[in-house]
Amino acid sequence: DVKVTQSSRYLVKRTGEKVFLECVQDMDHENMFWYRQDPGLGLRLIYFSYDVKMKEKGDIPEGYSVSREKKERFSLILESASTNQTSMYLCASSLFYRGSGNTIYFGEGSWLTVV
Amino acid sequence: AQKITQTQPGMFVQEKEAVTLDCTYDTSDPSYGLFWYKQPSSGEMIFLIYQGSYDQQNATEGRYSLNFQKARKSANLVISASQLGDSAMYFCAMRDGGATNKLIFGTGTLLAVQP
Repeated sequence: DVKVTQSSRYLVKRTGEKVFLECVQDMDHENMFWYRQDPGLGLRLIYFSYDVKMKEKGDIPEGYSVSREKKERFSLILESASTNQTSMYLCASSLFYRGSGNTIYFGEGSWLTVV
Repeated sequence: AQKITQTQPGMFVQEKEAVTLDCTYDTSDPSYGLFWYKQPSSGEMIFLIYQGSYDQQNATEGRYSLNFQKARKSANLVISASQLGDSAMYFCAMRDGGATNKLIFGTGTLLAVQP
């Protein structure tokens, strides 16, 4: 069974803290994504990576960075957390080849609260 | 720029009735894919159905069907014989024309099925 695992389901952090959200996939996928989900805004792409050490900005990269040192792991980093980064974060992965249908797999989400 | 629009923030439907969730999209790319996902309160994203831009027939998956009207740029989800377990947030998404499988999401529709 395919699996995208996000390390933390619920986190509470203080303003100014450095926060790491980890995502691991076991499907040997080339592509990995970090989305942020907010009510009324849907899911918005923060960053994505199409290979080890490769990354591209999504629609809302400000305040975030990412790291992909190994193919199976994609980390989202909040260098200095702020209250407006309180949100639900979803990781996803897919093969590089587009294919069709159910080719994009999501983790269960990480609920981050910054106080 | 590519865009997905879901104009129904919330909807009610009676159990066993059919319901249509609206989705319109905008893209200049002749090759694209349209997805519908279900997100229960637990947060996981469940893939429901996919329609490719060159597919001749409307996609169907069990009780789900996608009413694809290419000229109108609409991709409405039809759920037949609603069940209480269908109560969830539903997202329409489009895969862009690149090779990365990057998805652009709408803002979602919250469906409540009433007994």
